[in-house]
Amino acid sequence: GEKVEQHESTLSVREGDSAVINCTYTDTASSYFPWYKQEAGKGLHFVIDIRSNVDRKQSQRLIVLLDKKAKRFSLHITATQPEDSAIYFCAASLSNTGNYKYVFGAGTRLKVIA
Amino acid sequence: GALVYQYPRRTICKSGTSMRMECQAVGFQATSVAWYRQSPQKTFELIALSTVNSAIKYEQNFTQEKFPISHPNLSFSSMTVLNAYLEDRGLYLCGARTGGQNTLYFGAGTRLSVL
Repeated sequence: GEKVEQHESTLSVREGDSAVINCTYTDTASSYFPWYKQEAGKGLHFVIDIRSNVDRKQSQRLIVLLDKKAKRFSLHITATQPEDSAIYFCAASLSNTGNYKYVFGAGTRLKVIA
Repeated sequence: GALVYQYPRRTICKSGTSMRMECQAVGFQATSVAWYRQSPQKTFELIALSTVNSAIKYEQNFTQEKFPISHPNLSFSSMTVLNAYLEDRGLYLCGARTGGQNTLYFGAGTRLSVL
């Protein structure tokens, strides 16, 4: 089955700098890749996603890149702010509307230092 | 927008007892609901996927006998943890999506402690 590896377990950046979190997946059939943010003691908050028919998507300060050949996708947070500090989870899934599921990475704890 | 509410937010139960948690979708039709568990220091494990009017599909290591799920309509789902023990501790998340959409919207979770 699908396995998702999230390469950075922790990441510290200075406020205003960019943060990059990298994930790889194993199943070439995966075609939908969402990212979630988890703040201390809370659940998962959807932040951005990308589908396999594109290789880049941007939403304000968030950019997601997808390299299907390398089976790698990454989240770029530009102009980081202290409130970006949280644990970020990547996930991969099939995008058919049948019996799909998300497989999550282990999470990256991002700390933005003011 | 799509909102998912879970309750209770936190619960403590005695070892060997059972605990029911609920999930409510607001603003969209929860055609499919996925229940996940985040155990201490771990990522999210899928327990089961439920689609209205279809059979609930449990992942390996999770069974209906231990985690019975109800998904009676397009706005509500519940899951019970039967005979809870220490290894059942964690944050239980309900993620819901509507038909034709890929994105799961999660509730804030129910944090289960077992004494």
